[in-house]
Order: sequence, then C-alpha cells, then structure tokens
Amino acid sequence: EDKVVQSPLSLVVHEGDTVTLNCSYEVTNFRSLLWYKQEKKAPTFLFMLTSSGIEKKSGRLSSILDKKELFSILNITATQTGDSAVYLCAVFEGGKLIFGQGTELSVKP
Amino acid sequence: SAVISQKPSRDICQRGTSLTIQCQVDSQVTMMFWYRQQPGQSLTLIATANQGSEATYESGFVIDKFPISRPNLTFSTLTVSNMSPEDSSIYLCSAWGQREPVLAGETQYFGPGTRLLVL
Repeated sequence: EDKVVQSPLSLVVHEGDTVTLNCSYEVTNFRSLLWYKQEKKAPTFLFMLTSSGIEKKSGRLSSILDKKELFSILNITATQTGDSAVYLCAVFEGGKLIFGQGTELSVKP
Repeated sequence: SAVISQKPSRDICQRGTSLTIQCQVDSQVTMMFWYRQQPGQSLTLIATANQGSEATYESGFVIDKFPISRPNLTFSTLTVSNMSPEDSSIYLCSAWGQREPVLAGETQYFGPGTRLLVL
C-alpha cells in the first residue's frame, strides 16, 4: 500500500532555532513531492519537488528531495512565531496526492 | 494560481439530513478533487471529480454517501448524504492550477474548506 510518513509528528522550538522536517514515501509510480503549510485553514502550497538533489528555496524555507532514498526534508531557518503551523508532505502518484500525517510545529517566543 | 472558493464555509446539520457543498475555481482546470480532514488528522482523498462522467472514489468512500457532480471545468459539488456525527469534518475542494511564473508548471491548490458539524 502506498504511504507517506512524516516525522516528527510534533515539534516545539524557540524563535531563532532551525528545524528540519522529514518526509519518507513508498509509492508505486512517483511523479512529484509537494510541501504545504496549514494554519487553521486550507493548506497553502510551499514547494514542488520532482528531481533529486536540487534544493528549492523560498526565504527562510528550503527543501530537497532524494529519490534514491525516497525522502524529502523541509528546513526552516531562524524560525518565527508565524511559522507555527502544520506542515504537510504529499506525493503525487497515479493522478492523486497522497498525504502524510503532518508535522505540527510550534515556535515559542 | 488557481483561486478556489467554497460554499458554505461552515454548517451545523441534523443527523439524517444531507448537505451539498459547492466549489468554484476561477479558471478552467483539468483535475478537481474532494478531501476530508477530520479533527487533528491529515487530508484523506474522497474522490476525483471527473468532468462529464462519474467521479472516481477512493477506498472507503461510495457514491451513495458522497455523490459528486462536475458539470464543467470550473465547478463541482459534493453532497454528504444521510449525515451522522461521524461525518463531522472539514471538507476541502482542490484543483491543479497554473503556478507563477508560467514556466513553473502546475501545482495543486486548495479551497478554504467547509467545516461541517453534525448533531
């Protein structure tokens, strides 16, 4: 059965810390991996990754994919309280997105 | 990017009734989806809404319980039928839309969700 597993499930850090969120996957026909941020509303798109080893970057957030080891990481540097959210990893396979459980990040002042 | 709106944004319903949720996209899209997100859980795909044909349902979801329509490339509805308290959830419409810049290709966007409480 196809699956996407995120770790940790929850994380509490202080402002200024750097965090790394993990996503591993086992799917039959991988097309792409997507990261979303969800804050009490609909998920908002962060990154789409299709190729191994190419880092995507947006401000303090960055992400990379390893298609050989079947995982991706999402890094957030110099965290701020506004980064508090659930971060969702999803793999596009067979015409649909398969979501992981999410990582709940809480950034304390 | 695709802008997706949903109606209603929230509702409180009685057991045994049905609710139809509408989803409107601001541009024509090829693929539309309906998800459910139960409290504290991740997103679960209910079905892919196919334009001009029956929706494709995921394991555990059936047409009698969740009938879906998609009359054109910008609109879809999901009905939650014969509701029970276990149907209390957020229902999210989603679609693939164009990213900016255009060369970036497409990605999947989500509507704001419909928060449903069944008493």
